[in-house]
Amino acid sequence: GENVEQHPSTLSVQEGDSAVIKCTYSDSASNYFPWYKQELGKGPQLIIDIRSNVGEKKDQRIAVTLNKTAKHFSLHITETQPEDSAVYFCAASSNTGNQFYFGTGTSLTVIP
Amino acid sequence: DVKVTQSSRYLVKRTGEKVFLECVQDMDHENMFWYRQDPGLGLRLIYFSYDVKMKEKGDIPEGYSVSREKKERFSLILESASTNQTSMYLCASSYYGGQGSEQYFGPGTRLTVT
Repeated sequence: GENVEQHPSTLSVQEGDSAVIKCTYSDSASNYFPWYKQELGKGPQLIIDIRSNVGEKKDQRIAVTLNKTAKHFSLHITETQPEDSAVYFCAASSNTGNQFYFGTGTSLTVIP
Repeated sequence: DVKVTQSSRYLVKRTGEKVFLECVQDMDHENMFWYRQDPGLGLRLIYFSYDVKMKEKGDIPEGYSVSREKKERFSLILESASTNQTSMYLCASSYYGGQGSEQYFGPGTRLTVT
């Protein structure tokens, strides 16, 4: 089955700096890669996703890149703000089903 | 607005009790999922269902069962709760999409088994 690894597990940045979270996956059949943000006391919420026919996707301060050959994808947050502090999860999914395989999460703290 | 609701935010049960966690979605989604979330382990899939009365085991189904009698409702059952089932339980739903589709999560139920 699929194995998704996520690094780092914790990340602290100064407000205004950039944050990068990286994930690797093992199953070459995976073709959908969402990123979820989980704030305290809430369920995870999708913030951006990318499909395997695309190398990069941006949405304002958030971007995701995908390298299919190396089987890794990354989340980039620029100009971080305190409200970006949360736990972020990457995931991978394939056409063969609707099951997601999640990374172990990154706790991001943005220091004002 | 899309909504996934879970029956309880916090639950405390005793070892050996039968526990029901309920999840309801209002988006007419085919797929529903139950995960447990533990520090350092991320989200692990317990069971999922892609249709009424259909269920598939996830990565950690032992000690759990599920029921889906109606499309909007997916129940997780702990037949005999044990302390190692103390965890955060998250329900999610998605429409059936061949190329992957967004999962919408409920707020979670924090279960403590004493």
